[in-house]
Amino acid sequence: EIVLTQSPGTLSLSPGERATLSCRASQSVSSSYLAWYQQKPGQAPRLLIFGASSRATGIPDRFSGSGSGTDFTLTISRLVPEDFAVYYCQQYGSSPLTFGGGTKVEIK
Amino acid sequence: QVQLVESGGGVVQPGRSLRLACAASGFTFNRYAMHWVRQAPGKGLEWVAVISYDGSNKYYADSVKGRFTISRDNSKNTLYLQMNSLRAEDTAVYYCARGGPLYYDSRSHWFDPWGQGTLVTVSS
Repeated sequence: EIVLTQSPGTLSLSPGERATLSCRASQSVSSSYLAWYQQKPGQAPRLLIFGASSRATGIPDRFSGSGSGTDFTLTISRLVPEDFAVYYCQQYGSSPLTFGGGTKVEIK
Repeated sequence: QVQLVESGGGVVQPGRSLRLACAASGFTFNRYAMHWVRQAPGKGLEWVAVISYDGSNKYYADSVKGRFTISRDNSKNTLYLQMNSLRAEDTAVYYCARGGPLYYDSRSHWFDPWGQGTLVTVSS
């Protein structure tokens, strides 16, 4: 099983700042089969990024994904109020499918 | 628009059974794999099971293997999760989510979209 470790656990930032979220895998994620999701309180997760770097439909271009192998990053270039949420990475290159523990982006 | 609506959650005693359903609309249901993902209160996400577009392939997380069964009725555009021998640690919000189209391995795809979830509470 591929274990995904997200860091930091919590990121305290102000609107307009840049957010950099990390997702590290215990072994290489094949074909960069890595996705990122955003979840707000009381809501279902929403797909942001698939294939490590492709934005899902309707996702603003301030969200970007990068990385390969075992190290992946989600960057939010300039935070706006609606971006404060929990973010999860997920790998779908190996069964069982696994998620990281999440990074909470909170208002400083 | 694509919509997934879960139902069937509730409070159930340990050792009992419950069946969840997920009604799909807005896309050609029989061309997509479908997943169940759960989230315990205040915790992260855990993948539970996947079923291929035609129901011929099913895969489970070790934590539910032998107790849970995923199935689908393509004539009704509905996904199911039969949960038997429920335990306190199965308490969670259960989400259904669409996987990949039929030309993908049912496990090798992201989840999009997700339903709003249904809460299952296992307690005596």
